[in-house]
Amino acid sequence: QLQLQESGPGLVKPSETLSLTCTVSGGSISSSNYYWGWIRQSPGKGLEWIGTVYSSRRTYYNPSLKSRVTMSVDTSRNQFSLKLTSVTAADTAVYYCARQGGDSIFDVVRLHYMDVWGKGTTVTVSS
Amino acid sequence: QSALTQPPSASGSPGQSVTISCTGTSSDVGGYNYVSWYQQHPGKAPKLIIYEVNKRPSGVPDRFSGSKSGKMASLTVSGLQGDDEASYYCSSYAGSDILWVFGGGTKLTVL
Repeated sequence: QLQLQESGPGLVKPSETLSLTCTVSGGSISSSNYYWGWIRQSPGKGLEWIGTVYSSRRTYYNPSLKSRVTMSVDTSRNQFSLKLTSVTAADTAVYYCARQGGDSIFDVVRLHYMDVWGKGTTVTVSS
Repeated sequence: QSALTQPPSASGSPGQSVTISCTGTSSDVGGYNYVSWYQQHPGKAPKLIIYEVNKRPSGVPDRFSGSKSGKMASLTVSGLQGDDEASYYCSSYAGSDILWVFGGGTKLTVL
């Protein structure tokens, strides 16, 4: 059974970089037609897609966060990671990683759903 | 402001049916059959309950059903049970530039 687990610091200072890792177990991060995403949820708010990475290291980011986001994948460790720079209090949220089903036609990716989620990790931005 | 519009709340009595709407544009909901729905209980991670407009993952009761007409998708929960009380989020593929969008969520109360 595929499981995802987020890890990283729970407290980050303003203007610093938030770094999180998602470890995939029970399956391979290199599986075809599956992508790996980060989603966040601010306190009392809805879900926000941050970005998605494929095992080929191709990345796709939310345009509103693109200037501050970097995602990467480590197939040898079955992990993928998120870095968010220049954080502010507005970046305080529960961060989830998730597996995304999708496909790619003529190099255009189409995401279909998010079927396996991690439990989430709370990140607070505060001095 | 979320890209997809959902009513903030919905309610129904046990045994009744409730439908939650999700309105987008021709660039997301109206343009692709990649609408999915997620159920989230307080303090828990979201759970996929409908994908590709009307398909149910294994283990999701057939009381949950999805549909789409034009730029609006809908989730219907039939035979409401107490455990259905949760927040529900729609989402959609939104083309190669934006890629993925969520709705603002609907809190379903079982009266």
